[in-house]
Amino acid sequence: GDSVTQMEGPVTLSEEAFLTINCTYTATGYPSLFWYVQYPGEGLQLLLKATKADDKGSNKGFEATYRKETTSFHLEKGSVQVSDSAVYFCALSDPSQGGSEKLVFGKGTKLTVNP
Amino acid sequence: GAGVSQTPSNKVTEKGKYVELRCDPISGHTALYWYRQSLGQGPEFLIYFQGTGAADDSGLPNDRFFAVRPEGSVSTLKIQRTERGDSAVYLCASSLTPEARGYTFGSGTRLTVV
Repeated sequence: GDSVTQMEGPVTLSEEAFLTINCTYTATGYPSLFWYVQYPGEGLQLLLKATKADDKGSNKGFEATYRKETTSFHLEKGSVQVSDSAVYFCALSDPSQGGSEKLVFGKGTKLTVNP
Repeated sequence: GAGVSQTPSNKVTEKGKYVELRCDPISGHTALYWYRQSLGQGPEFLIYFQGTGAADDSGLPNDRFFAVRPEGSVSTLKIQRTERGDSAVYLCASSLTPEARGYTFGSGTRLTVV
């Protein structure tokens, strides 16, 4: 079945450091790819998405590019802030798995940014 | 409402008891999803409703779990004979269409079975 693998956490960075969180996937069909973020005490929020190869999703300074050849969707940010501390989830939806558009999530990566 | 509302936010129950978890989606959203998030894991799909009908219940772990959405709006996830392994955060999401790109998640119900 479909699956998402993302780098193990936790990740601890200093403010203004560069962030990369790796994400790779396996899918039967041609999936859409997502990054969700869960801030402490809050619900899951969509951070960015990409629906086809070479698309770049971006939001709040975060970026990720859909790489079909390497089945990857790595999350990057050039300069992290303390307020970026959260758990980040990579996810996919695969239209070949029926019409429900259900999401398959990775295990999550906890990011802590220190001042 | 402005967002997806889930009640209660926390529920502690004894092993073997029956529980109901409620999800109030954004008004007008026809697609509704339930997920379960165990500690240290990503959310796992349970069931999807399009309108009143369960269009995909392939993620329900066993027949102790059941969900309804009788009027196409509020949904209730029902768990019979709860077990300690059912302890998790249960998340609900809704969208205007079935496409995942439109998902809005609720804050979840934390269920603890003691």
